[in-house]
Amino acid sequence: ETGVTQSPTHLIKTRGQQVTLRCSSQSGHNTVSWYQQALGQGPQFIFQYYREEENGRGNFPPRFSGLQFPNYSSELNVNALELDDSALYLCASSPGLAGAPRGQFFGPGTRLTVL
Amino acid sequence: DQQVKQNSPSLSVQEGRISILNCDYTNSMFDYFLWYKKYPAEGPTFLISISSIKDKNEDGRFTVFLNKSAKHLSLHIVPSQPGDSAVYFCAAIIQGAQKLVFGQGTRLTINP
Repeated sequence: ETGVTQSPTHLIKTRGQQVTLRCSSQSGHNTVSWYQQALGQGPQFIFQYYREEENGRGNFPPRFSGLQFPNYSSELNVNALELDDSALYLCASSPGLAGAPRGQFFGPGTRLTVL
Repeated sequence: DQQVKQNSPSLSVQEGRISILNCDYTNSMFDYFLWYKKYPAEGPTFLISISSIKDKNEDGRFTVFLNKSAKHLSLHIVPSQPGDSAVYFCAAIIQGAQKLVFGQGTRLTINP
């Protein structure tokens, strides 16, 4: 069984640029969630995709957008990058919408640095 | 609005002793509480969870206690082992909702 994978591992961008992060969900999982983890903080929910539709969004501006593909892989796009976007971006998948009792399964993350 | 809080950024415990990690929450609507463990360069991995209708759940060396009246939960690890050194996140979820709500994390260091 393949776990959640993310690419790239690390990324350096400059302010104002755009970035696309990618995630392959665990086999059999049709729900993908994205989280932002700033240094010294816990992960913060960005949004969730279920069967290719956005299914909930956290307190993030519209320049954070996403896609989910028919194979349930997903992309996170961030436009007009700001310095505060520097963080670890985590993708998590789950089999369906319910997140309990085993929670969601996380990938290793993409470390984004904005200069 | 920090709905889940872990007030101890770090904890150091001697190998073989008990580690106790604490977590407080404010939202009484949470149905499940989960603990995740995170090593550097890896994503969080699920450790143990507890339903809001229970007050204790045990899995091997790990036990989670829930005190609903105090809106407090704790994770006990006994005996602590060097491989337990990691950052531990407390998280909560409302059944059917989309998101896990995480605390800030506690870095646990097990000393030989």
